[in-house]
Amino acid sequence: DVKVTQSSRYLVKRTGEKVFLECVQDMDHENMFWYRQDPGLGLRLIYFSYDVKMKEKGDIPEGYSVSREKKERFSLILESASTNQTSMYLCASSTNNRAEAFFGQGTRLTVV
Amino acid sequence: QKEVEQNSGPLSVPEGAIASLNCTYSDRGSQSFFWYRQYSGKSPELIMFIYSNGDKEDGRFTAQLNKASQYVSLLIRDSQPSDSATYLCAVRGGSARQLTFGSGTQLTVLP
Repeated sequence: DVKVTQSSRYLVKRTGEKVFLECVQDMDHENMFWYRQDPGLGLRLIYFSYDVKMKEKGDIPEGYSVSREKKERFSLILESASTNQTSMYLCASSTNNRAEAFFGQGTRLTVV
Repeated sequence: QKEVEQNSGPLSVPEGAIASLNCTYSDRGSQSFFWYRQYSGKSPELIMFIYSNGDKEDGRFTAQLNKASQYVSLLIRDSQPSDSATYLCAVRGGSARQLTFGSGTQLTVLP
């Protein structure tokens, strides 16, 4: 079974802090994604990566950056957390051969 | 206009009935279509995918795709209370690696 693991289930951070969300997948998938999910807005793509050190902006990249130094790990960075970044963050991975994405358990981030 | 549209619901059906969930998409070049189920507080899990026009059945679930109408649906037969969840439609465009999601339809199956 594909396993996508996010480092934290719940996080509470203060406004202005630098926040790191980590995601690891164990199936050698080429593609990794970060989404955020908010009520009424569905899942929105923040960034994705199709290879080590490669990244592409999604629909809402402002205020975020990402890092992929190893194939299995994809990090989302909030450079200076703000209250409007309070959300559920979901990491996912997929292969190039099969398009379906497999999700981690999610990180519920609260910025106070 | 959103790229992937779903009725937000909520949709309520009695136990044992057929639940019908609908999704439309705007990109005619879309190649792959997915249905995810998401329980409250949990992450989405894949339940069906379909690539070709027509119907695809898996147990109590049937996915239907009509590319000419840019329409994909999910039927759940013999609905159970455990099917109560939000159902997300996702679409992959022709050359894209990422999925675009609808905002989801909340389904409640009443005992």
